[in-house]
Amino acid sequence: GAGVSQSPRYKVAKRGQDVALRCDPISGHVSLFWYQQALGQGPEFLTYFQNEAQLDKSGLPSDRFFAERPEGSVSTLKIQRTQQEDSAVYLCASSWMGANVLTFGAGSRLTVL
Amino acid sequence: AQKITQTQPGMFVQEKEAVTLDCTYDTSDPSYGLFWYKQPSSGEMIFLIYQGSYDQQNATEGRYSLNFQKARKSANLVISASQLGDSAMYFCAMRERISGGYQKVTFGTGTKLQVIP
Repeated sequence: GAGVSQSPRYKVAKRGQDVALRCDPISGHVSLFWYQQALGQGPEFLTYFQNEAQLDKSGLPSDRFFAERPEGSVSTLKIQRTQQEDSAVYLCASSWMGANVLTFGAGSRLTVL
Repeated sequence: AQKITQTQPGMFVQEKEAVTLDCTYDTSDPSYGLFWYKQPSSGEMIFLIYQGSYDQQNATEGRYSLNFQKARKSANLVISASQLGDSAMYFCAMRERISGGYQKVTFGTGTKLQVIP
């Protein structure tokens, strides 16, 4: 596709439910980042993939968060047993290897009730 | 320690005037890059400008320029001739190579710019 596609755009979950957020990066983009953005804050790094390899998951807040990119293209961020503090916009960004620009998706807004 | 520091939570500027948004950074990687992104109320992240650490000249893109002062570790964004559509959040970000062997991109907390008619 022409851009980075994220789905769903909006997700409302009850506390304790599991959610899965999808990111479809630009074709051929090797690097893929996930960020969490709370209201009024800057994007906080969650995890990074280079092709299918998850090179850095140091930003994942707890073991309830899990990300994968099994074939080096589409990535899924999964949050188990959601909590209210997980409410945020989850941003996915991709780029060529070593590129000087990250292209962002529109984000997935998660609200946990 | 913060990698990227934006000390101005909010700024006002009169339409058609210039404004400078501050950004300081900290890294031990000699080959790093600095970005500015704009995020309007709609939420999308829009790339504005990039400066590499070895670039000799300050980057410019239309009405945007990056005032890069390497010794002071600052990378301020200058917007000339402000327009109402410039009202948005602005984020400074840095790309640096870390011990994991890849180039991590870290963002600041942002500055909310409001352009006054």
